[in-house]
Amino acid sequence: EAQVTQNPRYLITVTGKKLTVTCSQNMNHEYMSWYRQDPGLGLRQIYYSMNVEVTDKGDVPEGYKVSRKEKRNFPLILESPSPNQTSLYFCASSLSTGANVLTFGAGSRLTVL
Amino acid sequence: GENVEQHPSTLSVQEGDSAVIKCTYSDSASNYFPWYKQELGKRPQLIIDIRSNVGEKKDQRIAVTLNKTAKHFSLHITETQPEDSAVYFCAASIRGGSNYKLTFGKGTLLTVNP
Repeated sequence: EAQVTQNPRYLITVTGKKLTVTCSQNMNHEYMSWYRQDPGLGLRQIYYSMNVEVTDKGDVPEGYKVSRKEKRNFPLILESPSPNQTSLYFCASSLSTGANVLTFGAGSRLTVL
Repeated sequence: GENVEQHPSTLSVQEGDSAVIKCTYSDSASNYFPWYKQELGKRPQLIIDIRSNVGEKKDQRIAVTLNKTAKHFSLHITETQPEDSAVYFCAASIRGGSNYKLTFGKGTLLTVNP
């Protein structure tokens, strides 16, 4: 089944404890992106990747890192999480920038205490 | 960068009525405008999209209109049903651009009352 898989789906952590949210897609998509969803703010882009080894900042990149070493994986790294990073995170992918239709993962709800 | 404004933030209608959600965008270079539906506790899913060379697109009870001159686009849902209740997001991007970025509106919570 074609899908975008995120893990973990739920996580409660403490301030300063590094964590990684993994994202993997099995559709050979070139484009991958991370969004955070907060009440009243909609979906805001954190980072995106046009292809392997090509990443760029979105609208709210502060406090996050990403890497794209393989086409299928696009992990989101929080080096030193803070409470304002408590949010619902979505990974998404599309075939290419020309295709544009985003397939979203199921979401990862992160709470930073 | 692109800025997408979406209105209203909440919309309540009676079953069978029509619902309209409006969005405006700021970057005249944007040429692709998708709409995503997010049911409670679920992931966003594309329901319809329109490209800038088209003024209107319909898919059964859903239609999207685009006014490039005014830089606004709208989602129209006719004969609403309770299963249409969800958060709807509009978005804008430059399709195929070398610096591709999809910017979303803040969402509209649509409630269809039986």
